[in-house]
Amino acid sequence: SAVISQKPSRDICQRGTSLTIQCQVDSQVTMMFWYRQQPGQSLTLIATANQGSEATYESGFVIDKFPISRPNLTFSTLTVSNMSPEDSSIYLCSATTGVRYGYTFGSGTRLTVV
Amino acid sequence: QKEVEQNSGPLSVPEGAIASLNCTYSDRGSQSFFWYRQYSGKSPELIMSIYSNGDKEDGRFTAQLNKASQYVSLLIRDSQPSDSATYLCAALDNYGQNFVFGPGTRLSVLP
Repeated sequence: SAVISQKPSRDICQRGTSLTIQCQVDSQVTMMFWYRQQPGQSLTLIATANQGSEATYESGFVIDKFPISRPNLTFSTLTVSNMSPEDSSIYLCSATTGVRYGYTFGSGTRLTVV
Repeated sequence: QKEVEQNSGPLSVPEGAIASLNCTYSDRGSQSFFWYRQYSGKSPELIMSIYSNGDKEDGRFTAQLNKASQYVSLLIRDSQPSDSATYLCAALDNYGQNFVFGPGTRLSVLP
């Protein structure tokens, strides 16, 4: 299965600023996914990022707030824009070499907005 | 709305006992099912996958699938305190595109 390096692991940000989270996969993958996880809650899918096309966002998430880049088959970024305290959460990227084989997750980014 | 449901727990079992975690799903077309373990403050880790009706064993873990009942379970034999974590059930939707995750069951193995 793929190994994903995610950074930063944590950050404390001022409201109104933006943070870009990076994920690097050790193999080429077609599909990458970005999730948010509130403390004690399950995973909420933000968007699916396919190389060469615009990301597909889930209901409640918009590109202006969470722009995503997917420049190649091993890398993706998620930006959390114009942050507010409500954006404080853990953000996770994941990837699959074939959905039948499951998703692998990055180590997560713990974001605190003050 | 495709859903995967789990009891949130916490499920407490004594060390050495069998822990039984259950999951139901609403999309009858789902074909593949996965169990993830998530320790507090860590990301989810895939521990089992199952595609066919019946049982699949891997060490102390056994996954069970009953598509007619739309039911998936995970048994952990000889539970250890290190098994204490949240266990997430996931189903691959009928289009083979997206996972649907359950809310997770928190397991506590008491020494």
